[in-house]
Amino acid sequence: DIVMTQGALPNPVPSGESVSITCRSSKSLLYSDGKTYLNWYLQRPGQSPQLLIYWMSTRASGVSDRFSGSGSGTDFTLKISGVEAEDVGVYYCQQGLELYTFGAGTKLELK
Amino acid sequence: QVTLKESGPGILQPSQTLSLTCTFSGFSLSTYGMGVGWIRQPSGKGLEWLANIWWDDDKYYNPSLKNRLTISKDTSNNQAFLKITNVDTADTATYYCARISPITTSFDYWGQGVMVTVSS
Repeated sequence: DIVMTQGALPNPVPSGESVSITCRSSKSLLYSDGKTYLNWYLQRPGQSPQLLIYWMSTRASGVSDRFSGSGSGTDFTLKISGVEAEDVGVYYCQQGLELYTFGAGTKLELK
Repeated sequence: QVTLKESGPGILQPSQTLSLTCTFSGFSLSTYGMGVGWIRQPSGKGLEWLANIWWDDDKYYNPSLKNRLTISKDTSNNQAFLKITNVDTADTATYYCARISPITTSFDYWGQGVMVTVSS
């Protein structure tokens, strides 16, 4: 089974600061089609999760360009440039290469 | 416009079978590459993937729960179903269904979730 491990943030974060959330997989998520099957989701308080990033670095429709995804086959980063109040919540990475697995989540709190 | 809505019993007793329904609109599970997944979240905890079903009736399960899960679909009525047998208090959670994008295989649309409590 592929295990996803997420890092923590130094909460609370001042508004306007840029933050990076890390995620590591126990196996490379790079597939033979050249795509890396790593997705990022945000779950705001009291809401369902929403897709932010797919294929490691492609923003989903309607997602602010303040969000960017990057990484290698096993180490991934979600960067938020200039955090805003609406960014508060829990961020999850998820692999879709072999079955599906979520990371434990990374909480973002604003100062 | 894609929407999904989960429904379930609300509360059930240990050892019973949990039956969940996901009713969706705006897409068809007969479309090539389309899928629906089930994910759950105990209160205050993280997301746990449970199962996926695909347009061709292919099914995949979380190995840790596989012997208790059954996923199915009714394409003509735009519904997907999940059954969990022999429930226990650890199955108390909010259960979500989500559409799996036929292009990216990510969960691109989610339902609002349904809360299920297992209690004697």
